[in-house]
Amino acid sequence: EVQLVESGGGLVKPGGSLRLSCAASGFTFSSYSMNWVRQAPGKGLEWVSSISSSSSYIYYADSVKGRFTISRDNAKNSLYLQMNSLRAEDTAVYYCARQIGSYFDPWGQGTLVTVSS
Amino acid sequence: QSVLTQPPSVSAAPGQKVTISCSGSSSNIGNNYVSWYQQLPGTAPKLLIYDNNKRPSGIPDRFSGSKSGTSATLGITGLQTGDEADYYCGTWDSSLSVGVFGGGTKLTVL
Repeated sequence: EVQLVESGGGLVKPGGSLRLSCAASGFTFSSYSMNWVRQAPGKGLEWVSSISSSSSYIYYADSVKGRFTISRDNAKNSLYLQMNSLRAEDTAVYYCARQIGSYFDPWGQGTLVTVSS
Repeated sequence: QSVLTQPPSVSAAPGQKVTISCSGSSSNIGNNYVSWYQQLPGTAPKLLIYDNNKRPSGIPDRFSGSKSGTSATLGITGLQTGDEADYYCGTWDSSLSVGVFGGGTKLTVL
């Protein structure tokens, strides 16, 4: 079964840092681009970042550029999101998702990040 | 403000049909495949339609997708109360090199 499991969310103060992880199983992780998508409470989906299979191509939403860093470890079947200089508006559930062409499937269950003092 | 534009809400009676529109531009919908996602309350998004009109295995044929120019449409026939959810369209924006989603449409089955 193809599965993605996020971890690392929690409560952090404004200006703080957090590292999210996404563990993949059930497919050849190293063959796919991976993405992070977030959803603020009561809001819609917002694409955050994408990384190609070999990490050659990396893209970010303007809202996180310069603060967030996406990375992956194909040997560990894992995707990461290092989040620095966190702001209240970064509060959201963060989902990792496998990218196939221009669509995302599957999605993980999400991990909640709360930025508050 | 989402890059792709969807109506905030739609509603219809059980057994009826509903359509949800998604409008974009030449740099996103106009030159890329569109996908649709269903998000039931309290759960992660789930792929419903990919490559404009293809259904993943397990998705009933009550769900359909189409695209014309810079717009796409999700259709749902034979509405069931279990279809009540938020629906999102998505694609890739080639000029910005970013993923883009619509703001989401809340479906109510009256």
